[in-house]
Amino acid sequence: DVKVTQSSRYLVKRTGEKVFLECVQDMDHENMFWYRQDPGLGLRLIYFSYDVKMKEKGDIPEGYSVSREKKERFSLILESASTNQTSMYLCASRPGGNVQPQHFGDGTRLSIL
Amino acid sequence: AQSVTQLDSHVSVSEGTPVLLRCNYSSSYSPSLFWYVQHPNKGLQLLLKYTSAATLVKGINGFEAEFKKSETSFHLTKPSAHMSDAAEYFCVVTRNSGGYQKVTFGTGTKLQVIP
Repeated sequence: DVKVTQSSRYLVKRTGEKVFLECVQDMDHENMFWYRQDPGLGLRLIYFSYDVKMKEKGDIPEGYSVSREKKERFSLILESASTNQTSMYLCASRPGGNVQPQHFGDGTRLSIL
Repeated sequence: AQSVTQLDSHVSVSEGTPVLLRCNYSSSYSPSLFWYVQHPNKGLQLLLKYTSAATLVKGINGFEAEFKKSETSFHLTKPSAHMSDAAEYFCVVTRNSGGYQKVTFGTGTKLQVIP
C-alpha cells in the first residue's frame, strides 16, 4: 500500500512565523501535491510538483512556497504565517501517466494565532 | 474548462437503507471520474474510479457508481448503509491538460447514518 506521511497532525504557530509542513511518500511517485481544505470550499490546490526540483502553482499559491529536493519529499512553506492560513493541509502523491488516482496523507491541521 | 457539482452538502439515511450521493460534472473532454471518502481527521481514500471502460464501476466497501454521459452524472450508491459509512464523500473530475492532470474536487457531501 502507498503511504503518504505528513510530519505533524496538529500544529499551532503565531502570526508572522515561517512554517514548514513536510510530506513524504514511499512509492517513488513522480507527482506530489499540496491542498488546503476549508469547510464549504472543498479542496483547493496550492502547489504541485511533477519531478524533483520542479514546481507549478495551483489555484491559490499566494503566501506559500514549496520545495522538492528529493523525489520522496515535498515541503510546503508559509513564508510569514497569517490567520487566514488556518486550515487543514493535505498532501497527496500519484504516479506519472494517465488517469492515476492520488494517494493522500492524513492531513495537518494548522492553527495560526 | 471543467467543473463538478455535488448536489447535496448533507445526506442522512437510516442504517440498512440505500445510499445515493449525487454528482454532476462538466467537461469539454472525455473525463475520468473518482469518488473519495474522508473519515474525520483523516486523509482522502479512493473509493472507485471511472476511466472510460465499463460505465458501472464497483468500488470498495460495497459502493458503486454509474457514469451517465447523457446526464453528465456520476452518482455514488450503496444498497445498504452501515454505521461505518458515516463520512464525507468527494466527487472528482480529471483530465489531461498540457502534460499535466487537471483535477477538480467537488465541495463534498457529508453522509450521516442513523442507527
